[in-house]
Amino acid sequence: AQRVTQPEKLLSVFKGAPVELKCNYSYSGSPELFWYVQYSRQRLQLLLRHISRESIKGFTADLNKGETSFHLKKPFAQEEDSAMYYCAIDSGGYQKVTFGTGTKLQVIP
Amino acid sequence: DGGITQSPKYLFRKEGQNVTLSCEQNLNHDAMYWYRQDPGQGLRLIYYSQIVNDFQKGDIAEGYSVSREKKESFPLTVTSAQKNPTAFYLCASRQGSGELFFGEGSRLTVL
Repeated sequence: AQRVTQPEKLLSVFKGAPVELKCNYSYSGSPELFWYVQYSRQRLQLLLRHISRESIKGFTADLNKGETSFHLKKPFAQEEDSAMYYCAIDSGGYQKVTFGTGTKLQVIP
Repeated sequence: DGGITQSPKYLFRKEGQNVTLSCEQNLNHDAMYWYRQDPGQGLRLIYYSQIVNDFQKGDIAEGYSVSREKKESFPLTVTSAQKNPTAFYLCASRQGSGELFFGEGSRLTVL
């Protein structure tokens, strides 16, 4: 069974500090990993996915198959980054998408 | 205006009653999903459907039922068998392995 673990419920950082939101997964096949974000009073939306290897709003995430991790990073946090972040795994052909419990990022001015 | 529409936004139910949450999409997506969002538990998958007239149980399907008679519609029924139905419910759709597009959610409260 596929599973996603986000160990931190809340992460507080000062503006300008680096950010790392942790995500570990378990899946026997070749997964697709995603980060979704939910800003206050907005819909849950895609932030980035590992296959695109893009940097969105300064965030990056590298898939580490050896450590089964997909941590989200940003070198300098901004106040507008404050939101709820969810890591998700896609089982591929079966299209089952499983989310983690989420991490609330709070950027302190 | 394309997207996912969930209704109602707020719903109150008495114990023992079934209730149906509506989810409609005009994105022409094949796959649709229902998640339950509870504080501290993230999003948990209830049911998903890859194609019309087909659906699969997610991780917490007990006490819920769905149908997929039309491509654009994926209603969720919360039955009286669901022991703790008070929650925020999110519907989503996607095409292939693309991103999930979410609705604004429906908040169900059991009185």
